[in-house]
Parts: sequence; C-alpha cells; structure tokens
Amino acid sequence: DAGVTQSPTHLIKTRGQQVTLRCSPKSGHDTVSWYQQALGQGPQFIFQYYEEEERQRGNFPDRFSGHQFPNYSSELNVNALLLGDSALYLCASSLVGTGGGGNEKLFFGSGTQLSVL
Amino acid sequence: RKEVEQDPGPFNVPEGATVAFNCTYSNSASQSFFWYRQDCRKEPKLLMSVYSSGNEDGRFTAQLNRASQYISLLIRDSKLSDSATYLCVVGLNTDKLIFGTGTRLQVFP
Repeated sequence: DAGVTQSPTHLIKTRGQQVTLRCSPKSGHDTVSWYQQALGQGPQFIFQYYEEEERQRGNFPDRFSGHQFPNYSSELNVNALLLGDSALYLCASSLVGTGGGGNEKLFFGSGTQLSVL
Repeated sequence: RKEVEQDPGPFNVPEGATVAFNCTYSNSASQSFFWYRQDCRKEPKLLMSVYSSGNEDGRFTAQLNRASQYISLLIRDSKLSDSATYLCVVGLNTDKLIFGTGTRLQVFP
C-alpha cells in the first residue's frame, strides 16, 4: 500500500521561473492538502483539493495555484518564483467523508525541497 | 499573535528524563488537536491526537485544556530516539490544520 508520494524530491530554480510539484495521495484517500515549510518554521497551509476543486485556501498569493485530477493526484504550481519561496513543500492526503468531523488523519509525503536562487 | 504558539527550545535532556512541552492556541472555535513529530528534513508524522479527557500512548501523555486554550505533551523515560521536533497542531475544521513552529528536543546519553 503506497503512501503519499511526491516528485521531484529536490528542485533548483531561479527567480521569476515557474515550478510544478506533483503529489499522489495514499491509496483510498480523496483529499490533498499542500503545505509550505520554511526552515525553522512549522508547515503553513497553502490550500486543499477535494473533488477536483479548491476547498479552502491559506494566506498565499495567487502565484500559488493547484489542480486535482480525477485519480485524486494533485499538482502545485508556483509562478514568478521569489527567493522567499525556497522551502520544503509538503503534500498531505486524507479521506473526507460527507460530513467531516475534524478528525481525519493527515498522511504526509516526504516533500519537495525547492531552492530558488 | 500567532494562531499556535510553542516554545521553540531546544530542550536538552538526559536519557531517562521526563520532559513536558506546552502549546497555546488563539482560536476558541478550534475543534481538533494533535501532536506531530518531525525528524530533521523529514515529513511530519502524527504522534497522537489530543482529547479533553487526556490520552496516553506508552511513554507519551497528551492533555487539552479548552478553557485555557492550552495543549501539553509529556514524555517519560526519554530515549535517544525521541530526539526530534514536536509540532503542536490545531484544526479549526476539517479543511486545514494550523501548525506551531515546533519544539526541538535533544536527548543526550
């Protein structure tokens, strides 16, 4: 049973470039959340996708966008990269029922380390 | 004020010691509470959920005080392998979790 997989593991870009990060959720999960973790900080919520739609968004600019595919996998796109976008980008998957409840366990992938030069 | 606040540490303790971490959260409507563990440059992993009644898992005990908006984690008989960063996590609803900056624990021989 594969867990959450992310690709690539490491990426180096220059300012102004665009990047796409990919995530495959744990088998049986239908919801994908993306987090940004800067060095020495806790993960910061970017957004969550469920049923191919953005369900909720954190305080990130429109340069950060995403997509969820019918097979529940997801992409995170960042445009016009800034030095401050350098961070570990974590994808987490969960299974959300129709009613929710606040107790869904999140399973994290090992992340993509993005360095912007 | 940060939504979830933790002492960043580091806490340096000898093997066998008991260590306690505290965390406060600002939103009284928060519904779910967790402690995650994160090893250096790795992904966070769920350590335990936290309930008002308190819960224990082996050497780990977590407690929630809703009135004070305070969460704690107690580790007894510390092991070298407990060295990690412990993240306090609060959920407002099912859609997003708010992470603290983490408390770093270093257990030495």
